[in-house]
Amino acid sequence: DAGVIQSPRHEVTEMGQEVTLRCKPISGHDYLFWYRQTMMRGLELLIYFNNNVPIDDSGMPEDRFSAKMPNASFSTLKIQPSEPRDSAVYFCASSLPGRYGYTFGSGTRLTVV
Amino acid sequence: GQQLNQSPQSMFIQEGEDVSMNCTSSSIFNTWLWYKQDPGEGPVLLIALYKAGELTSNGRLTAQFGITRKDSFLNISASIPSDVGIYFCAGLPGNMLTFGGGTRLMVKP
Repeated sequence: DAGVIQSPRHEVTEMGQEVTLRCKPISGHDYLFWYRQTMMRGLELLIYFNNNVPIDDSGMPEDRFSAKMPNASFSTLKIQPSEPRDSAVYFCASSLPGRYGYTFGSGTRLTVV
Repeated sequence: GQQLNQSPQSMFIQEGEDVSMNCTSSSIFNTWLWYKQDPGEGPVLLIALYKAGELTSNGRLTAQFGITRKDSFLNISASIPSDVGIYFCAGLPGNMLTFGGGTRLMVKP
């Protein structure tokens, strides 16, 4: 298996622009997670899905953030409009149910200027 | 919510030295996991612990699930430069992983 695949690896955008981050989870994994990592706040869970259904989005910072999972093999995290404080590394992770831990993608480093 | 206190926050050691880091929780966990994050990459699972008192090794890494189920430690023996990175503990009190703040390890050749 190729693991969790995220794209793009790097994104630089201007403040106010829409940003879409993409994730392909491991086939057969029922859970998908979006995390944000910054030096100040560490790893923060933004939202997670179970069987394509959003279960908990309480970590999504504002209405500017939205996430979708239209099918079992694809998810997006969208920021509209983007702001400089959104600059961070965004990780997608997937897992099987149970105590197996999560498999993380390589992340998308977002810079908003 | 759940809180995981991981220490130390950072370590700067000489190649060949042993390393020890730990994680404590105010709540009981059913599972403890240790991840390593290389620069520019996502965290990768190193060791998983499922029973109180369990001691598990993975090469030069050894981790233990504390008897109280509220703590875990990770030891790295004979450190090498490629051990550099951020080490995260994570616990499963229920269905969702809770992550510690990470220990940043730097190794001087």
